[in-house]
Amino acid sequence: DTGVSQDPRHKITKRGQNVTFRCDPISEHNRLYWYRQTLGQGPEFLTYFQNEAQLEKSRLLSDRFSAERPKGSFSTLEIQRTEQGDSAMYLCASRSIRDSYEQYFGPGTRLTVT
Amino acid sequence: AQSVAQPEDQVNVAEGNPLTVKCTYSVSGNPYLFWYVQYPNRGLQFLLKYITGDNLVKGSYGFEAEFNKSQTSFHLKKPSALVSDSALYFCAVRDRGNNNNDMRFGAGTRLTVKP
Repeated sequence: DTGVSQDPRHKITKRGQNVTFRCDPISEHNRLYWYRQTLGQGPEFLTYFQNEAQLEKSRLLSDRFSAERPKGSFSTLEIQRTEQGDSAMYLCASRSIRDSYEQYFGPGTRLTVT
Repeated sequence: AQSVAQPEDQVNVAEGNPLTVKCTYSVSGNPYLFWYVQYPNRGLQFLLKYITGDNLVKGSYGFEAEFNKSQTSFHLKKPSALVSDSALYFCAVRDRGNNNNDMRFGAGTRLTVKP
């Protein structure tokens, strides 16, 4: 499968714990995006990378959230000291700025904070 | 600032009938417009886009959408609905003049096609 993949697909954690999600974009896509989606809402932009550079962060991304893309390929999103309000679907998307305007999404990681 | 409105939370149609899912947008400049579909427990799948050129764009699975600048709309249409089209549909907009990512999604419209 050459699409965007995310791991894990589901994560249940207790409040206060740290969690880390991984995204593997489509090969050779230089832009990678993270979104958060809550029930009944569309995806909300969190942050994006061009290659390894993090170019933009939403104000939704509190200081408990950090994202990296160290080699310009896969990316990780870490949430520290999770809160119940962090429960959501976390979506990753990628695109090539050379030949497409649309973003291609992974299946998402569903986080439940108990 | 840019925003998207999907005025209908739910659209119900009978199989074989035409369907329309509405979307209006607001941008300060000219828009890039997109439609995505989401099936349960899945990520979003790209359906179609308007970048420039012909106002009527055709996409996957027989869907099409018409860009109407005067009405700032980008409604999704299909001439004959299938039960398998039942899903959550999202409209998204990006301001052409922005070199950032800021793509905004609507809240989604749940389409139910009944046999």
